[in-house]
Amino acid sequence: AQSVTQPDIHITVSEGASLELRCNYSYGATPYLFWYVQSPGQGLQLLLKYFSGDTLVQGIKGFEAEFKRSQSSFNLRKPSVHWSDAAEYFCAVEDYGQNFVFGPGTRLSVLP
Amino acid sequence: AAGVIQSPRHLIKEKRETATLKCYPIPRHDTVYWYQQGPGQDPQFLISFYEKMQSDKGSIPDRFSAQQFSDYHSELNMSSLELGDSALYFCASSSTGGIYNEQFFGPGTRLTVL
Repeated sequence: AQSVTQPDIHITVSEGASLELRCNYSYGATPYLFWYVQSPGQGLQLLLKYFSGDTLVQGIKGFEAEFKRSQSSFNLRKPSVHWSDAAEYFCAVEDYGQNFVFGPGTRLSVLP
Repeated sequence: AAGVIQSPRHLIKEKRETATLKCYPIPRHDTVYWYQQGPGQDPQFLISFYEKMQSDKGSIPDRFSAQQFSDYHSELNMSSLELGDSALYFCASSSTGGIYNEQFFGPGTRLTVL
């Protein structure tokens, strides 16, 4: 079965600092990969996705992610974090059944 | 652009009651998915429908049932509600006519069971 791991449950960074959120997956083939952001009590907003092609993917709100097949990783990055980025971030993989398998999420706190 | 619509947005029920959640997919999307997200948890896949037929089943309790109608909207029926059913329920839709099966999520229905 496919699985998604996000090793960091909670990350705290200072505003303006760089950010990297880790995501690893267990999948037989190259999967479709997604990052979603969820503000408290809100729905899921798609930040970016990878299907094929260029392994560095640009998303909304200044986020980017890099697919590394050799490491089975799809880490999310942002060069300078804003206070409004504080939220829960979910990595997701589309599995064989075309359903999503979500990682456990990483909660991001931003210090002023 | 039209998005996935879910109703109601909030629902409060008591134990052992029933609840019905509705999902209206993006126009021309033929597949609907249901996910459950408990407090502090990641979303878990429940069930999906393609062209009004169940296409896949995840961790959906036997007390729950769902269907997709001729207009492609879907309803999740929940009976004998338990406290643990309190969660955010997401619906997503996709179109198999596209190259990639990207799912578009609705805003969710927050169910509270008292």
